[in-house]
Amino acid sequence: NAGVTQTPKFRILKIGQSMTLQCTQDMNHNYMYWYRQDPGMGLKLIYYSVGAGITDKGEVPNGYNVSRSTTEDFPLRLELAAPSQTSVYFCASSVRGQSANTEAFFGQGTRLTVV
Amino acid sequence: GENVEQHPSTLSVQEGDSAVIKCTYSDSASNYFPWYKQELGKGPQLIIDIRSNVGEKKDQRIAVTLNKTAKHFSLHITETQPEDSAVYFCADGGSTLGRLYFGRGTQLTVWP
Repeated sequence: NAGVTQTPKFRILKIGQSMTLQCTQDMNHNYMYWYRQDPGMGLKLIYYSVGAGITDKGEVPNGYNVSRSTTEDFPLRLELAAPSQTSVYFCASSVRGQSANTEAFFGQGTRLTVV
Repeated sequence: GENVEQHPSTLSVQEGDSAVIKCTYSDSASNYFPWYKQELGKGPQLIIDIRSNVGEKKDQRIAVTLNKTAKHFSLHITETQPEDSAVYFCADGGSTLGRLYFGRGTQLTVWP
């Protein structure tokens, strides 16, 4: 059981480039999330999805897009990379909403640097 | 959105001592409060959680207490060990399904 798998683990982008952070889970969880983690700032929710075909904005969605065509995959798209998007990105999944007393499982993270 | 304050930001203790991390939240309707542990280079992992109808919950050396009136909750680690060294995050499940609001984290270092 792999859990939540994120790729790539590290990436350096130039300003204005685009990329997709991949996330897949094999636990058949309905809920999936993307967070960013900046030093000393905790985790901020970017987007989340309650099931295939349904996505919603979190606290910091600007500059990002997501899609959820299958239960397993929840890719995060950066269209025009900016230095402010330098961060560590975590994907997570849970069988129910995180506020419903259910554990969220996190991937290992993607460290993105925009120069 | 929710506002979760976490203190302290860093905490150093001697092996065997206790460690306490405190969090406050703003939404009186919040009813779920998990704690996550993040080891270096890894994603956060749930270690304990508590719902608002319970004042305290224990799991071996770890306990969480909740004071709904004061809107604060705390993580207590007893008999600390070097492997407890990590960043700990409190979170507030708020009143909206599907969202967690995290504190800024506490870097705990346990010295042997």
